[in-house]
Amino acid sequence: QAVVTQEPSLTVSPGGTVTLTCGSSTGAVTSGQWPYWFQQKPGQAPRTLIYDTSNKHSWTPARFSGSLLGGKAALTLSGAQPEDEAEYYCWLSYSGTKWVFGGGTKLTVL
Amino acid sequence: EVQLVESGGGLVQPGGSLRLSCAASGFTFSSSWMSWVRQAPGKGLDWVAIIKQHESEGYSADSVKGRFTISRDNAKNSLYLQMNSLRVEDTAVYYCAGGPGGYWGQGTLVTVSS
Repeated sequence: QAVVTQEPSLTVSPGGTVTLTCGSSTGAVTSGQWPYWFQQKPGQAPRTLIYDTSNKHSWTPARFSGSLLGGKAALTLSGAQPEDEAEYYCWLSYSGTKWVFGGGTKLTVL
Repeated sequence: EVQLVESGGGLVQPGGSLRLSCAASGFTFSSSWMSWVRQAPGKGLDWVAIIKQHESEGYSADSVKGRFTISRDNAKNSLYLQMNSLRVEDTAVYYCAGGPGGYWGQGTLVTVSS
């Protein structure tokens, strides 16, 4: 059973830049695992920020970007805003038959 | 406007069954992979099952294999999750997710308790 790892918590200053990462116990994360990034605020359903590594939704703020970095999937936030404080989850596909979420990163903007 | 609306949640005793439904609109449902994801109270997201566009069978997490079955009716733009032999640890909000780029419903709460 693959394990997907994320930083449990990160803190960023308003206007600052932070990178959240998503690693796989099976090796380097590839674009073929179609990495997704989701944002969830307390009491709300998750929403997709990034799909297929780097694609954005119409509602995804331009300050968010997705990439592959050092064998991991990465979500970079450039110019953090107070409203970006949330839990962030990544999601990876394994051969299209198993999908695994990371444990989530609690991002604090302070 | 894309909408995913779940229904069918509720309180059920251990060992019981429930069938969740998800009504989709605003996108070409038949062209999209669809998935069920759950979230236990205070916990992270947990993938349950996924079904491809035109397949009658899907793929499920080991924790629910043999108990939960995902299905779809493309003529009705609907996704389903049949949940049998429910356990206390299946208590969670169940979300329907899918469509181009991944849309999410608001979730339906399933509580397994005696």
